[in-house]
Formats: sequence, C-alpha cells, structure tokens
Amino acid sequence: QLQLRESGPGLVKPSETLSLTCSVSGDSFSSRNVYWGWIRQSPGKGLEWIGSMYYTGGTYYTPSLKSRVVISADTSKNQFSLELSSVTAADTAVYYCARYHYYFDYWGRGALVTVSS
Amino acid sequence: QSALTQPPSASGSPGQSVTISCTGISSDHNYVSWYQQLPDKAPKLMIFGVNKRPSGVPDRFSGSKSGNTASLTVSGLQAEDEADYYCSSYAGSNIVVFGGGTKLTVL
Repeated sequence: QLQLRESGPGLVKPSETLSLTCSVSGDSFSSRNVYWGWIRQSPGKGLEWIGSMYYTGGTYYTPSLKSRVVISADTSKNQFSLELSSVTAADTAVYYCARYHYYFDYWGRGALVTVSS
Repeated sequence: QSALTQPPSASGSPGQSVTISCTGISSDHNYVSWYQQLPDKAPKLMIFGVNKRPSGVPDRFSGSKSGNTASLTVSGLQAEDEADYYCSSYAGSNIVVFGGGTKLTVL
C-alpha cells in the first residue's frame, strides 16, 4: 500500500525559505508515467496546486508561485522535496504531498507550516 | 490559469440526490477528478477520469461532464457524506487547477 508522509519545520520566519520533504513508501519514486506533487490549503480556504515533478525529473509549477518554488527529488531515499522562498504570512498553510497521474490518488496526511516571527 | 468555479455550498436531506457543478473545464480531455475532504483530514479521491470510481468508493457517487462543466452527483445522501468537495482538472502545459470547493450539508 502506497504511503506518503510530509516532514519539516512547522514554523518558518518571514522572508526565509520553507522546506518540506515527502517520504514515499510502497512504490518507487521512479515509477513510470507518474508525477509527484505538492498541494497546499490555507486555513479555512480551498486546495491550491503548487507544482509537480515527473518521474523523469521534469518540474512544473503554478504560475503564481513559480518564481519562489523548487521541487526536487532524492531517488536513492525515495523522497521528493518542496522549497518555497521568501515566505510571508500568506504562505501559512497545510502542505500535502500526493501522487498524480491526471488525478491525485494517494495523499500524505499534511503538514501545517506557520509563517511567523 | 484560473481556478475552476464551484458553488460554495450545497445541501440535501438524507436519501435525496445532490449535484455539484464545476465550470471552466477544458473540453479537450476527460482529466477531471473529484475529492472529498472531511474536517481536518486529507482529501480523498472520489472520482477520476470524469466518471470512474476508485475501489471502495460507494456507487452513490457519480460524475459526468458536458462541455466545459463537470458534475458530481451524490445519490441517496447519508450523514457521512457531509464534507467539502473539490473538483480538479488538467489545464494544459502540465498545470493542474482546483475548484474553490463546495461545502455539502446533509440536512
């Protein structure tokens, strides 16, 4: 059974970089025709797609965050990561990682990240 | 890419049917999915490919699409169906968009 788990600091200071890691178990990160993505949900708000990484390494980001986002992978650890730079209070959210092949079928539990000094 | 448009709320009595719409879908493909989110839980895939149900999802949940609008219908409403529902679609150029979400209340 595929499982994903987000990990990382729960508190980040304004202007700093938010970093989260998603650990994948029960499947290989290098599975063919699969993307691995990040989605966030601000308190009381809806879901926002942040970006995805294809198994070949290609990355794709939502236009509104593209200048601040990097998604990368460590295939040896079966993990992929999210970095969001120059964060503000508006980046406070629950961040989810998920597997995607034109639909998100497996999700992590989510990690709450608060941006505050 | 703009977010997809959903009604903010929907409601129905137990046993009734409710349909939630999602507009702004491309007519070029069928990459439409729906998610159920219970309070403080991760979203759960309910429908993919417009009208396909993952294993374990009750057949009370069904999806359809007409032109630029996709719909999720919940038949035989049950109290446990009360949740937030989100549509999602492929927007081209490897971009994914979500709808704003619909809060379904079982009266």
